Amino acid sequence: NAGVTQTPKFQVLKTGQSMTLQCAQDMNHEYMSWYRQDPGMGLRLIHYSVGAGITDQGEVPNGYNVSRSTTEDFPLRLLSAAPSQTSVYFCASRPPGGGDGYTFGSGTRLTVV
Amino acid sequence: GEDVEQSLFLSVREGDSSVINCTYTDSSSTYLYWYKQEPGAGLQLLTYIFSNMDMKQDQRLTVLLNKKDKHLSLRIADTQTGDSAIYFCADPISGGYNKLIFGAGTRLAVHP
Repeated sequence: NAGVTQTPKFQVLKTGQSMTLQCAQDMNHEYMSWYRQDPGMGLRLIHYSVGAGITDQGEVPNGYNVSRSTTEDFPLRLLSAAPSQTSVYFCASRPPGGGDGYTFGSGTRLTVV
Repeated sequence: GEDVEQSLFLSVREGDSSVINCTYTDSSSTYLYWYKQEPGAGLQLLTYIFSNMDMKQDQRLTVLLNKKDKHLSLRIADTQTGDSAIYFCADPISGGYNKLIFGAGTRLAVHP
């Protein structure tokens, strides 16, 4: 039972490069989210999805795209990386209802130079 | 806008109780959550409380909710070195569960 799997664990990008952070879950959860974690700021929601084919913006969506073609996968795309996107990125998923909360992946540490 | 606030650091002696406090602004939430993050790891759901409860106890953990003051606390009894981590309070805004607002996290250090 893998839970939420994120790849890669670490990545260094040059300013202007693009890349995709991968997220996959094997729990058949409908709801998935992407957060970024910055020191002293907690986690901030980037994008979320309530099911395949449905996505919406969170607090800090600029510079990021998402798509949800399957229940399992929820990739996050950085269109043109900027130093301000240096952060730790977490993907999370949850079942319907609120009592189980979100299951988080182990994160991707991204550095943009 | 919606906000969740926590103190950033707490240091306790092993065996003592730890109390981590949180204030929130969105009072429409059905649940409020506590997550734990160990070094280099993702967040793990520690516990949650229904908004119609004042207190929830789960082994060494006690959650207190004061809805009038919008104050949430997490008490860890008999704190151990394995409890050293960052603890996040989270509030689902707008009454749903898709948008969690997290506090900045309280770093708990447990010393002998």
